[in-house]
Amino acid sequence: QSVLTQPPSVSAAPGQRVTISCSGSSSNIGNNYVSWYQQLPGTAPKLLIYGDNQRPSGIPDRFSGSKSGTSATLGITGLQTGDEADYYCGTWDNSLSARVFGGGTKLTVL
Amino acid sequence: QVQLVQSGAEVKKPGASVKLSCKATGYTFSDYYIHWVRQAPGQGLEWMGIINPSFVRTTYAQKFQGRVTMTRDRSTSTVYMELNSLISEDTAVYYCARDGDIYGAYGGFFDYWGRGTPVIVSS
Repeated sequence: QSVLTQPPSVSAAPGQRVTISCSGSSSNIGNNYVSWYQQLPGTAPKLLIYGDNQRPSGIPDRFSGSKSGTSATLGITGLQTGDEADYYCGTWDNSLSARVFGGGTKLTVL
Repeated sequence: QVQLVQSGAEVKKPGASVKLSCKATGYTFSDYYIHWVRQAPGQGLEWMGIINPSFVRTTYAQKFQGRVTMTRDRSTSTVYMELNSLISEDTAVYYCARDGDIYGAYGGFFDYWGRGTPVIVSS
């Protein structure tokens, strides 16, 4: 049971836009920055978004992050087959004094 | 370029210990904290703890306290994670990851990851 809640799966057609939600509480998302990671099959996770909405260099602007209250959202536009992966949100939890992750969302590009 | 090079796969029996390594290259070792994160087969990411290579200060997830030890060797820019009293549920891929938030402005995030070390615990 993950501290942060993500939908198990989402899907969309190539070229379309998809959003992935990440729900938490005031002890985590509500008072801390959120980061997002992409994990392609058989590989290590890769940083997509940090500080709620900041993209590291090299990450295309097709990827965006936002936050409102105790929920965060990852948006991906212009979907490509290469975007098929698992996506994880993460943040710090003040009550647990630990980094926490969502359970992950599997993106399928139909 | 920044790289985190992890040690090879391990197979251990229940009750044994495992010590994994993570060698950092391409940046100033003492400037960035290192996290350990594990992923059981078909499961999500689980944070284990963090080490400050500069002062050897560590913080462990409550779940692993008493069973995990993170250390570092500044001479080789290597971080180690030892997990004791292994059980089958410890079977996972163990990742080290650098915390890219050098100034603490964004609450921490993992900007570089090692390739992971598979650990299998089986009798």
